[in-house]
Amino acid sequence: DTEVTQTPKHLVMGMTNKKSLKCEQHMGHRAMYWYKQKAKKPPELMFVYSYEKLSINESVPSRFSPECPNSSLLNLHLHALQPEDSALYLCASSQPLRGTGELFFGEGSRLTVL
Amino acid sequence: GENVEQHPSTLSVQEGDSAVIKCTYSDSASNYFPWYKQELGKRPQLIIDIRSNVGEKKDQRIAVTLNKTAKHFSLHITETQPEDSAVYFCAASLNYGGSQGNLIFGKGTKLSVKP
Repeated sequence: DTEVTQTPKHLVMGMTNKKSLKCEQHMGHRAMYWYKQKAKKPPELMFVYSYEKLSINESVPSRFSPECPNSSLLNLHLHALQPEDSALYLCASSQPLRGTGELFFGEGSRLTVL
Repeated sequence: GENVEQHPSTLSVQEGDSAVIKCTYSDSASNYFPWYKQELGKRPQLIIDIRSNVGEKKDQRIAVTLNKTAKHFSLHITETQPEDSAVYFCAASLNYGGSQGNLIFGKGTKLSVKP
């Protein structure tokens, strides 16, 4: 299984809603990432979890809250978002030790904030 | 921190021609340079990567070259086909012992291959 699975594929939410994005991988990777991608732009790193511990937070606003319940799962909790947060949210994973460094991306969750 | 510049932003070629995309990076400590292809509405997918101990790597019609002194690396696609049309991103990071550092992406090149 070389897949990173993200749910939901599409999400529309109001600025007062609370929602969550979910990501799952069964490749045994111990590093997982959240990226944000706006249209016609490159992916921008938001968070990195290494061995279930948050290792990088790229100064992301607190309305985005990551969670790594175990080595296979990664969540992104969303609260009080702004319309400018509308984007494609990509989850990725990689193998930190003896790995190639390759990032495996999920298909993404397309978020629209009204 | 690392900064990656990518050129050109758009590239249009005739089917069968070659395409070259160039990137420069700023942090001389970076040692891992992947290239990702992203088709419209799809996820980025790794097509080739190179590490700083290698000057060139080839995989069928795709090759990447790295000049550490000049801090630039390039993607070469030969005998282009319409299915090569996509956005290509270069990236750079410090990859130590397999542990993935912060991967910084270039702004992307939209490649169009005309039949």
